[in-house]
Amino acid sequence: EIVMTQFPATLSVSPGERATLSCRASQSVSSNLAWYQHKPGQAPRLLIYGASTRATGVPARFTGSGSGTEFTLTISSLQSEDFALYYCHQYNNWPPGRTFGQGTQVEI
Amino acid sequence: QVQLVESGGGVVQPGRSLRLSCAASGFTFSNYALHWVRQSPGKGLEWVAVILYDGRNKYYADSMKGRFTISRDNSKNTLFLQMNSLRAEDTALYFCARDFLRGGYRGLFDYWGQGTLVTVSS
Repeated sequence: EIVMTQFPATLSVSPGERATLSCRASQSVSSNLAWYQHKPGQAPRLLIYGASTRATGVPARFTGSGSGTEFTLTISSLQSEDFALYYCHQYNNWPPGRTFGQGTQVEI
Repeated sequence: QVQLVESGGGVVQPGRSLRLSCAASGFTFSNYALHWVRQSPGKGLEWVAVILYDGRNKYYADSMKGRFTISRDNSKNTLFLQMNSLRAEDTALYFCARDFLRGGYRGLFDYWGQGTLVTVSS
C-alpha cells in the first residue's frame, strides 16, 4: 500500500504571503496526484489533478508541481478564503484504500 | 451545478445497521461512477467503496468488505451505503463523491458532498 505523507502538518502564514505545501509518496505515483481543499462544514473541493492541472474555476494562485514521489502545492498570495485544510491524494494504484495524506492545515 | 447531498447519519450502537443516502443533481447521474469516502478523527480520509455507472461493478476497501454494501438507483439519482455490524472505528463523517471520468472509473473525485456524521457508540 502506498503511504502519502504531507508536511508540514500546520502552516502559519499571513494574508498575501506565499504558502508551500509538500506531499511525498512512498513509491512512485507518476503524475496521478490530486490536491483538495476542505473547510469545516463544506464539501471538499478538487483543486489540482494530474499533479499540475487546475480544476475548473480554481484561481491561478494555486499551482501544483512534481511527479513520481515528490509533489508541491503552492499558493502564491494567500487570500482569506484560502485558510483551510489541504489534502493530497494519489489515484495511481488500485485499490484506492488509504491513499490520502494526513493533511496540512493552513492557518493565519 | 453539481450537487451531492448526504443523509442518514446518526448515533447507532455497535453491531447495529445504518443506511446512508446521497441525492445527486446537476449532472447525468447514470454516466458516472460514485464513491463513498470517510473522514475519521484519528485516521484522516479513507476511501470506502465505489460503484460504477451502471451499478454492475462494485468495489470495497478491505475493512468494509462483507459489512458494507454500496448501491445506486439511477432512476432516482441516488447513491446508498448500507452499513451492517457497525464498530466504534466506523465512527466518521461519510462523504459521497463523483468520479472524475464520465462513463468509466479513474479513482479521482471531482465533486463531493458535505458529508453525514455516523457515530457508533453504546
